[in-house]
Amino acid sequence: DSGVTQTPKHLITATGQRVTLRCSPRSGDLSVYWYQQSLDQGLQFLIQYYNGEERAKGNILERFSAQQFPDLHSELNLSSLELGDSALYFCASSVARTSGGRTDTQYFGPGTRLTVL
Amino acid sequence: AQSVTQPDIHITVSEGASLELRCNYSYGATPYLFWYVQSPGQGLQLLLKYFSGDTLVQGIKGFEAEFKRSQSSFNLRKPSVHWSDAAEYFCAVGDYKLSFGAGTTVTVRA
Repeated sequence: DSGVTQTPKHLITATGQRVTLRCSPRSGDLSVYWYQQSLDQGLQFLIQYYNGEERAKGNILERFSAQQFPDLHSELNLSSLELGDSALYFCASSVARTSGGRTDTQYFGPGTRLTVL
Repeated sequence: AQSVTQPDIHITVSEGASLELRCNYSYGATPYLFWYVQSPGQGLQLLLKYFSGDTLVQGIKGFEAEFKRSQSSFNLRKPSVHWSDAAEYFCAVGDYKLSFGAGTTVTVRA
């Protein structure tokens, strides 16, 4: 158990809908990261937040957005869902604010499996 | 740009035999390297990491990895595989943004 929790574990929805995935980081961790794991794209970095502020963006679609709240939990919002958004969404957390040239160990949650029908 | 290549999609190994998983990376500066394992239906568990220092890194579950800058490699090894090591293994490189390889699925036969 990494200490990172994600809810829900599974989510089934229809095309065009909107869903919210939730992540609670490990106690003491200030950075939260979101990743998408799909069969065709593999594991891809989406976005990072540090202490409530967006720090870095990866291959995140405009239909997707995220935020980190004062209690440090984070939510990933996916809207206008398409079949291709079906994937496993991971949240990870780390202690520090990592940036170019510095790093910190990321601990991953169990993931939320999203199925879009 | 940073990237990781895991040349082996699937490896089958007998229980008790040794295991080596290959990882080649591309990174502009001193690389930060990680190996994660994913069991079916589970999240990613960190096996080991390399930030600096000794190029032979020890991890959990009896795994080790060796960083070779000249070969841009970070291969994972285990001397004697257990049936519970059957899983998918991912090599990753990066700082805040981890780039993952496509993964290697390990099957352990009795």
